[in-house]
Amino acid sequence: QKEVEQDPGPLSVPEGAIVSLNCTYSNSAFQYFMWYRQYSRKGPELLMYTYSSGNKEDGRFTAQVDKSSKYISLFIRDSQPSDSATYLCAMTKRGNAGNMLTFGGGTRLMVKP
Amino acid sequence: DVKVTQSSRYLVKRTGEKVFLECVQDMDHENMFWYRQDPGLGLRLIYFSYDVKMKEKGDIPEGYSVSREKKERFSLILESASTNQTSMYLCASSEQGKTGELFFGEGSRLTVL
Repeated sequence: QKEVEQDPGPLSVPEGAIVSLNCTYSNSAFQYFMWYRQYSRKGPELLMYTYSSGNKEDGRFTAQVDKSSKYISLFIRDSQPSDSATYLCAMTKRGNAGNMLTFGGGTRLMVKP
Repeated sequence: DVKVTQSSRYLVKRTGEKVFLECVQDMDHENMFWYRQDPGLGLRLIYFSYDVKMKEKGDIPEGYSVSREKKERFSLILESASTNQTSMYLCASSEQGKTGELFFGEGSRLTVL
């Protein structure tokens, strides 16, 4: 079993929809949770970062962490065609040397105009 | 803007050839990483380095080596390329203490025939 599980998709939604992307994990030591966005033929870029449990909002994006369920989510409101990309969740433990991250496999999102 | 530059975007090599992948970052980051990305498997860490001449094995170091002679440059070496090393290779860097915030290059797609 992988440490971090993520539905690969693809997830196809119409423009303006609310999108929910999710990851589950098995290691209760994870305390830092990230979402990276990767456009086709590009490297991933950091989108959202949260520490421990709770919500964090940045514009149309909301990251949510539920440590009791070992479940994290990324919500995208008013989705746009420019949001079409692969979304990777990532996580790490406190004090992890060199910022070693464990990534999910990524969910491919397609937002149709 | 942080820039991580990978020297080759696309390479085609033959089985048994020695392959060098070069990565340069311009933000004086202490940490540098090499990942490979495969469909369904996400990003897997090959090696990372937290200082010049220092290196640590990641999850899948077999068949690879690395070199970090200067702070800004981190090289990945395939001593004898094999077909199962056909993949997308991603270099990343991060600042010491900034947990989870990795900056990625655009990737090097290697095909081994």
